[in-house]
Amino acid sequence: EAQVTQNPRYLITVTGKKLTVTCSQNMNHEYMSWYRQDPGLGLRQIYYSMNVEVTDKGDVPEGYKVSRKEKRNFPLILESPSPNQTSLYFCASNEGDRAYGYTFGSGTRLTVV
Amino acid sequence: AQKITQTQPGMFVQEKEAVTLDCTYDTSDPSYGLFWYKQPSSGEMIFLIYQGSYDQQNATEGRYSLNFQKARKSANLVISASQLGDSAMYFCAMRVDTGGFKTIFGAGTRLFVKA
Repeated sequence: EAQVTQNPRYLITVTGKKLTVTCSQNMNHEYMSWYRQDPGLGLRQIYYSMNVEVTDKGDVPEGYKVSRKEKRNFPLILESPSPNQTSLYFCASNEGDRAYGYTFGSGTRLTVV
Repeated sequence: AQKITQTQPGMFVQEKEAVTLDCTYDTSDPSYGLFWYKQPSSGEMIFLIYQGSYDQQNATEGRYSLNFQKARKSANLVISASQLGDSAMYFCAMRVDTGGFKTIFGAGTRLFVKA
């Protein structure tokens, strides 16, 4: 089944404790992206990658890191999480052709206390 | 700067009736794509429909159609014959072709379908 897999689905952590949210897609998509969803703000892009070793900042990159060492994986790293990073996170991918919408992962609900 | 505006935080529609969800956008880029996504209460994001800026005809996908008015910079989603399962949050999004294919989303409209 074609899908984007995110893990974990839920995570509660403490301020300052480094964490990684994994994202993997099995569709050989070139383009991958991370979003955070907050009430009243819709989805805001954190980082995106147009191919292996090519990443770029979205609109809200502060406090996040990403890497794209393999085409299928695009992990999101929070080096020192803070409470304002409490949010619902989505990983998404597509073929790179703008005519196609994203395939989204199931989301990761992160709470930083 | 690019921007997507959805002015309807919430809407009600009677089952089997049509409903229009509003979306306006702003970009100076001549080449862009417009998308609608559905987010049911279960939380997943589902791609519904796409419209390219150079497409002459409005996009349609089953009961979904996109009313694209380029001069007015609007890309409204029309859902015909609403069903109870259409109750969800709907997001309008825009992707521009310059600057790395960034995609921005609106704040969303929550649709309630009444039986």
